[in-house]
Amino acid sequence: QQQVKQSPQSLIVQKGGISIINCAYENTAFDYFPWYQQFPGKGPALLIAIRPDVSEKKEGRFTISFNKSAKQFSLHIMDSQPGDSATYFCAASKGNFNKFYFGSGTKLNVKP
Amino acid sequence: DVKVTQSSRYLVKRTGEKVFLECVQDMDHENMFWYRQDPGLGLRLIYFSYDVKMKEKGDIPEGYSVSREKKERFSLILESASTNQTSMYLCASSVGAVPPLHFGNGTRLTVT
Repeated sequence: QQQVKQSPQSLIVQKGGISIINCAYENTAFDYFPWYQQFPGKGPALLIAIRPDVSEKKEGRFTISFNKSAKQFSLHIMDSQPGDSATYFCAASKGNFNKFYFGSGTKLNVKP
Repeated sequence: DVKVTQSSRYLVKRTGEKVFLECVQDMDHENMFWYRQDPGLGLRLIYFSYDVKMKEKGDIPEGYSVSREKKERFSLILESASTNQTSMYLCASSVGAVPPLHFGNGTRLTVT
């Protein structure tokens, strides 16, 4: 059973548009929610992360929105650029951070 | 900058062979992880280690074993490779219980 469900599987956005990727989880013990970005041929790299005591976190063009009651969180990429084309993974962990549960990934293609 | 190095970028092995995947990190991190990445399934944890000679099973340990004789090195072993172990394997490390995970660039293993 997948602990974190991610959608959509793929996403095409025009340059300058907003990219939105959604994740949902069931385990209310999760207390750390990162997003990872992966370019072809590279390992995933941390993009932005949030803890459940805040509803939103913004870093540049990237924003995490967190809805604790709905057990959902999403990544918004404003003013999407072709350089943002990558695969994005949401994840969740609890307690000691030794185990991360990853979503299935979203392949984003930003068209120029 | 943290560097996690996986010794092979691509590997092709035959069914039944014993396969070793090697990972080295240069930041004195306590925790090291092996993940498997498959399309549509995201990243799944195979094994992790929180100290030298210590290991714990992840979510999909069947058919795999690990070895950590030195703090900087974590090896994944496929005792008898099978075609369903064809995948991308990602090594990661972290500072104790503190996120984030730092990933290597992966080893793409093909078992024929």
